[in-house]
Amino acid sequence: AQKITQTQPGMFVQEKEAVTLDCTYDTSDPSYGLFWYKQPSSGEMIFLIYQGSYDQQNATEGRYSLNFQKARKSANLVISASQLGDSAMYFCAMDSNYQLIWGAGTKLIIKP
Amino acid sequence: DTGVSQDPRHKITKRGQNVTFRCDPISEHNRLYWYRQTLGQGPEFLTYFQNEAQLEKSRLLSDRFSAERPKGSFSTLEIQRTEQGDSAMYLCASSSPRQLSGNTIYFGEGSWLTVV
Repeated sequence: AQKITQTQPGMFVQEKEAVTLDCTYDTSDPSYGLFWYKQPSSGEMIFLIYQGSYDQQNATEGRYSLNFQKARKSANLVISASQLGDSAMYFCAMDSNYQLIWGAGTKLIIKP
Repeated sequence: DTGVSQDPRHKITKRGQNVTFRCDPISEHNRLYWYRQTLGQGPEFLTYFQNEAQLEKSRLLSDRFSAERPKGSFSTLEIQRTEQGDSAMYLCASSSPRQLSGNTIYFGEGSWLTVV
C-alpha cells in the first residue's frame, strides 16, 4: 500500500536559517509524483513544489527545493533563508491515480 | 482571481440540518476533487470528477453525502442530516493532466463546517 511518512510533528527554526522537512514514501508504482503543500492557519492548501519519479534533477521553486533520493524513497523539502511568513503546516503528498496520499504534516514555526 | 474558489467559507449549522458547499475550479481544469480535513490531520479523499462524471467515491462518503458536477464546471457537495462528526474543513481542488508539472492539484481556501 502507498504511504507517506513525515516524522517531524513540529519544528522551531530561527529566521533566515535554512530548514529541511523530512518525507519518506512507499509505493510499488514505477511512476509517481511527489508534492509539498503549505497550509497556513487560514486553511488554504498552497502548492509549493512537485517532483516526478522520472525527473533527473531535483525540483526547485524559488526558496523551495526538493531533495529527491529515489533509492532511499525520500523527498525532503528544503526552505532556504526562512521567513516569518513560512510558519505553517507543511504536508508531503504522493499521487495515486486520481487522488493524493498525504503525510501527517509538520508544523513549522519560524522564530524572529 | 483565477484560482479555485469555494463558498461559503464558514458554515455553522444545527445537527440534523442539510448543508451545501459550492466549488468553482480553475476554468481549464477538467478534474475536480473533494477532500475533508479535521484539525491536526492531513486531508482525506472524498470524491473525484473528471468533467461531469463522478469516477470515484471514498468509503468515507456515506449515503448522507452527495456530490455533483452537472455541467463539468462547478461542483456542489451536499451533506444531509448533519452530525457533529461532520464538523471539518471541506477542501475542493482541481487539476489538469496536461500541465507540465504532473497532475498538480490546486486547492481552494476550504469551507469550514461546524455542526452544533
